[in-house]
Amino acid sequence: DTGVSQDPRHKITKRGQNVTFRCDPISEHNRLYWYRQTLGQGPEFLTYFQNEAQLEKSRLLSDRFSAERPKGSFSTLEIQRTEQGDSAMYLCASSSGQYEKLFFGSGTQLSVL
Amino acid sequence: GQQLNQSPQSMFIQEGEDVSMNCTSSSIFNTWLWYKQDPGEGPVLLIALYKAGELTSNGRLTAQFGITRKDSFLNISASIPSDVGIYFCAGQSNQGGKLIFGQGTELSVKP
Repeated sequence: DTGVSQDPRHKITKRGQNVTFRCDPISEHNRLYWYRQTLGQGPEFLTYFQNEAQLEKSRLLSDRFSAERPKGSFSTLEIQRTEQGDSAMYLCASSSGQYEKLFFGSGTQLSVL
Repeated sequence: GQQLNQSPQSMFIQEGEDVSMNCTSSSIFNTWLWYKQDPGEGPVLLIALYKAGELTSNGRLTAQFGITRKDSFLNISASIPSDVGIYFCAGQSNQGGKLIFGQGTELSVKP
């Protein structure tokens, strides 16, 4: 039983660069969520997909952020022109339905220098 | 927007002691979940609660879904060193199933 997989685990980048993260959900899960977590805080919702459709985006998701789930399987989160304030843990979670439990990956820790 | 208040923020206890933490909300939730997070890792699901008043156990952990649907608590009995970590409550809204998280309770256990 493979859980939610995220790649890379760590990313260090310079301000202004673009970065892309990947998430592979649990195989039978049709819902995929992205969260961001800063030190000392709980995860904050960014966006979610049902299959390939992006159904909701948080106001936290500025124009520099874009997420895709092209075939309803894996998802990517891209941040363009990174800023130091983007430094955080980016978490992906998946579930098998609207009121089902969310299972999280190990996250991608982003550091913007 | 919806907010969850989790308390206490941190706890320092002796091994063997029982622990209690709780979460309150200004809004009603359909589901409450409790997660544990270790440094540098994602949250791991501990317990999920689906009905108001529900009391559910998972080993030494017990959690309850408040009758008002606006609160939940988590108890850990006979704590051990590996219980160390940050515990998060999360409420699941009826809007897409996304979770709203509390700020976390950091638990330290002294052997």
